[in-house]
Amino acid sequence: DAGVTQSPTHLIKTRGQQVTLRCSPKSGHDTVSWYQQALGQGPQFIFQYYEEEERQRGNFPDRFSGHQFPNYSSELNVNALLLGDSALYLCASSLGAGGDYNEQFFGPGTRLTVL
Amino acid sequence: QKEVEQNSGPLSVPEGAIASLNCTYSDRGSQSFFWYRQYSGKSPELIMSIYSNGDKEDGRFTAQLNKASQYVSLLIRDSQPSDSATYLCAVNDAGGTSYGKLTFGQGTILTVHP
Repeated sequence: DAGVTQSPTHLIKTRGQQVTLRCSPKSGHDTVSWYQQALGQGPQFIFQYYEEEERQRGNFPDRFSGHQFPNYSSELNVNALLLGDSALYLCASSLGAGGDYNEQFFGPGTRLTVL
Repeated sequence: QKEVEQNSGPLSVPEGAIASLNCTYSDRGSQSFFWYRQYSGKSPELIMSIYSNGDKEDGRFTAQLNKASQYVSLLIRDSQPSDSATYLCAVNDAGGTSYGKLTFGQGTILTVHP
């Protein structure tokens, strides 16, 4: 049973560039959430995708956008990178129809460094 | 601003002792609560979920929930050096449109020394 996968593992970009991160959810899951985790902090919710639509969004600027594909995989795009975007980006998968009780399972993350 | 607060630690316990990790949350309507373990350089791993007041046990782990006090805790019995990690408390937003957003605390660093 494949768990959540993310690619790439590490990424180094320069300020102003654009980046795309990818995620495949756990088998049987249909919902993907993205989180940003700065060093020494808990993960911060970016947005959640279900049925190919953004269902909920956290307090992140429009530079952060996403997409979900018919096979439930997802992409996170960040435009005009800032130094402060350097963080671990986590994808979590869950079942979308379960409401409050959804358990979310994280992938290994993508470490983004912006120089 | 919905908040989840944890003691940042570090919490240091000897091997074989009970480690107690605490978490408070601000949204009284929150319905589901999770504990994640995160080893250095790795992603969070779900170790416990709890939805009802009281205790829930799974092996050496016990989660405790008190919604009236807006308090959730994690006890680790017979602590092992391999339990040394950061423990993250997460709360699912309440309400019909909350779906699966999790709000995390800043994490408690646990060190179990031999």
